[in-house]
Amino acid sequence: NAGVTQTPKFQVLKTGQSMTLQCAQDMNHNSMYWYRQDPGMGLRLIYYSASEGTTDKGEVPNGYNVSRLNKREFSLRLESAAPSQTSVYFCAAGRQRGSQETQYFGPGTRLLVL
Amino acid sequence: SQQGEEDPQALSIQEGENATMNCSYKTSINNLQWYRQNSGRGLVHLILIRSNEREKHSGRLRVTLDTSKKSSSLLITASRAADTASYFCATDATSGTYKYIFGTGTRLKVLA
Repeated sequence: NAGVTQTPKFQVLKTGQSMTLQCAQDMNHNSMYWYRQDPGMGLRLIYYSASEGTTDKGEVPNGYNVSRLNKREFSLRLESAAPSQTSVYFCAAGRQRGSQETQYFGPGTRLLVL
Repeated sequence: SQQGEEDPQALSIQEGENATMNCSYKTSINNLQWYRQNSGRGLVHLILIRSNEREKHSGRLRVTLDTSKKSSSLLITASRAADTASYFCATDATSGTYKYIFGTGTRLKVLA
């Protein structure tokens, strides 16, 4: 069991370039999430998907799009990267038990936008 | 805006001492969770406490929840150098547009 995997681990982009961050989980969980983590800011939710075929905006969705391709995969796309999007991006999958959910995180993708 | 705010932002203690960190939140919750993050890694779930619980234990971890004060504390007893990490609380708001909101974290350093 790999849990939650993310690719790539590191990426450098120039302003205006586009890229897609990939996330996959092998735990068969319904919920998946994309967060960004900036120094001193904790984690902020970008988008989430409560189940296959649904996506919803989080706290900071501007400049991003997502795609829940199937139950396993949840990708995050930056259409035109900006320096403000330099951050560490984490994907998570959520295991639900009634009203409770425990999230399992991937190792992160470190993105630098020049 | 952040739902959870941890306090202190940073904490440095000697191995064997206890470490206490606090989390305050703003709105009513279903449950509150604590996560740990080692440097450069993803977050790992530690413990969940429901809104109708006041205290919960897991190994060397003790979590308390005071819903009247909208606050929680995480106590790590007999700390070890391996406990060095950042600790985050996450709240599951009963109202709101998304599932969990994470605090800004407490950076714990345990000196050997």
